[in-house]
Amino acid sequence: GQQLNQSPQSMFIQEGEDVSMNCTSSSIFNTWLWYKQDPGEGPVLLIALYKAGELTSNGRLTAQFGITRKDSFLNISASIPSDVGIYFCAGRYNNNDMRFGAGTRLTVKP
Amino acid sequence: GAVVSQHPSRVICKSGTSVKIECRSLDFQATTMFWYRQFPKQSLMLMATSNEGSKATYEQGVEKDKFLINHASLTLSTLTVTSAHPEDSSFYICSAKGPATGDTQYFGPGTRLTVL
Repeated sequence: GQQLNQSPQSMFIQEGEDVSMNCTSSSIFNTWLWYKQDPGEGPVLLIALYKAGELTSNGRLTAQFGITRKDSFLNISASIPSDVGIYFCAGRYNNNDMRFGAGTRLTVKP
Repeated sequence: GAVVSQHPSRVICKSGTSVKIECRSLDFQATTMFWYRQFPKQSLMLMATSNEGSKATYEQGVEKDKFLINHASLTLSTLTVTSAHPEDSSFYICSAKGPATGDTQYFGPGTRLTVL
């Protein structure tokens, strides 16, 4: 099946810094999604990308669907303490087949 | 909108017993529901996909007789872990989508199962 490589595994940053994380795949996807998961909770959708090259923002978050359809990145600008959590990328090939990356654990120091 | 709930949020059971977890879409009709499991500090692994009124489709390596899935209505799916063992201890998360959500899946808050 399709494999997703998400990096970095973890990040420790100072409040106010920008953050960047990315996912790459050995296969193409039709949709890329980014989720955030807080401890003991289910993932919450942050951004969905549907077209190669698409760049979408949601507040301080920006994500892009790579031209090759095999990668995506998520940027968080001016991080704040509540950005702490685990961020997952997910790639979807058809309507139901969605695969998750291993996650990036973000720690923000005030 | 697009709220999914799970019950219970956490459950502890003895080895050999069965446990049922419910997943409900509260404000939309969920024609498709998904069940994932997540081990500590790991990603979500899809276990099965269920369409309302149909048998669930299980991912490779997931025992359908051990993880019974029922999706009898447009707002409820259940996962029953039969004859649970300690290695079944995990965080189980459901998600749902339907005509109102398009292709977007909305996740429940998860159920932490501990088998003693």
